Amino acid sequence: QQQVKQSPQSLIVQKGGISIINCAYENTAFDYFPWYQQFPGKGPALLIAIRPDVSEKKEGRFTISFNKSAKQFSLHIMDSQPGDSATYFCAASDGGGKLTFGQGTILTVHP
Amino acid sequence: DVKVTQSSRYLVKRTGEKVFLECVQDMDHENMFWYRQDPGLGLRLIYFSYDVKMKEKGDIPEGYSVSREKKERFSLILESASTNQTSMYLCASRLNEKLFFGSGTQLSVL
Repeated sequence: QQQVKQSPQSLIVQKGGISIINCAYENTAFDYFPWYQQFPGKGPALLIAIRPDVSEKKEGRFTISFNKSAKQFSLHIMDSQPGDSATYFCAASDGGGKLTFGQGTILTVHP
Repeated sequence: DVKVTQSSRYLVKRTGEKVFLECVQDMDHENMFWYRQDPGLGLRLIYFSYDVKMKEKGDIPEGYSVSREKKERFSLILESASTNQTSMYLCASRLNEKLFFGSGTQLSVL
């Protein structure tokens, strides 16, 4: 069973636009929610992460919004750039050391 | 910078062959992981290891085994490769809650 569900599977955005990727989880024991970014030919790399004691975390153009009651969290990329074109994965951990990943979203930002 | 090195970028094997995927990290991390990445399925955990000679099954361990004889090296073994094991395999080490991934091995089983 997929404990973390991610949507959309692919996303096309114009340069300067806002990219939004959504994730939903089922396990209420999850207490750490990172987002990983993967460029072609590379492994995923940590982009930004949040814990459920806050509803939002911002780092530069990247923001995580977290809704604990709805068991949902999302990544917002403001002023999207062609260099942001990559695959994005949400993930969740219950503190036991294992990360459960979502299905991934292929983001394409057109110039 | 943390470096996680996977021995092969591309690998082609025959059905039934025994396949070894090697991974080495240079930061003395205790925890290491093997994931496979498939389109539409994301990353799925195969096996992980908290320390030398320790191993734990992940979500999809069937058809795989692992070896961790030294802290820096974590090997994934396909005992008898099958076509449904054609995939991208990613190794990672962990510090605190952050995973550091290698660049992956694209394995094709014919």
